[in-house]
Amino acid sequence: AQKVTQAQTEISVVEKEDVTLDCVYETRDTTYYLFWYKQPPSGELVFLIRRNSFDEQNEISGRYSWNFQKSTSSFNFTITASQVVDSAVYFCALSAGSDTGNQFYFGTGTSLTVIP
Amino acid sequence: DTEVTQTPKHLVMGMTNKKSLKCEQHMGHRAMYWYKQKAKKPPELMFVYSYEKLSINESVPSRFSPECPNSSLLNLHLHALQPEDSALYLCASSYGQGGTDTQYFGPGTRLTVL
Repeated sequence: AQKVTQAQTEISVVEKEDVTLDCVYETRDTTYYLFWYKQPPSGELVFLIRRNSFDEQNEISGRYSWNFQKSTSSFNFTITASQVVDSAVYFCALSAGSDTGNQFYFGTGTSLTVIP
Repeated sequence: DTEVTQTPKHLVMGMTNKKSLKCEQHMGHRAMYWYKQKAKKPPELMFVYSYEKLSINESVPSRFSPECPNSSLLNLHLHALQPEDSALYLCASSYGQGGTDTQYFGPGTRLTVL
């Protein structure tokens, strides 16, 4: 079975604070892909990053960084020096299950509010 | 360009109406998706088209009818909907239907059924 858990339902931080969004996944597939999407109040899901199961290198993109650890089945997302524009719902997703068309399995999302 | 467009942005319809949602992409993607998203919930997959053929139908009621006229267009025809069908309907596309392929989402259509 494929599953993504985002235990943090809502997080509030003050602007310029760092914040980490947790994502834990379950899959029996050896080949899988992990994604993070941002959904601002406007509704569009904005792609942030894709990582495959064979690449455990951490990645940094500006104020965003991602920590992928297969040993703990986690793919956490950190925003450094948060800004009000970061306020959104963030979804972690798993693509796995080649026998079912590699469907996306979304976590329940973490709603981030950055307070000015 | 990673743009998926959807029209209309908002739609209000009665339970006896027939309406259609439209989605378009010009990225050369061969897989297109419809998702339904209720407030404070993750998107739920409804349909997947791969190379213009319906490949996944997640047991969606027949009052939702998808159509893929060509590789760039995806429609969702709505008929005799229920108030509980009110939601954000998201379209997405990807190069293929494989796990390597990122899904790019449109801005969605906010549907209200009265």
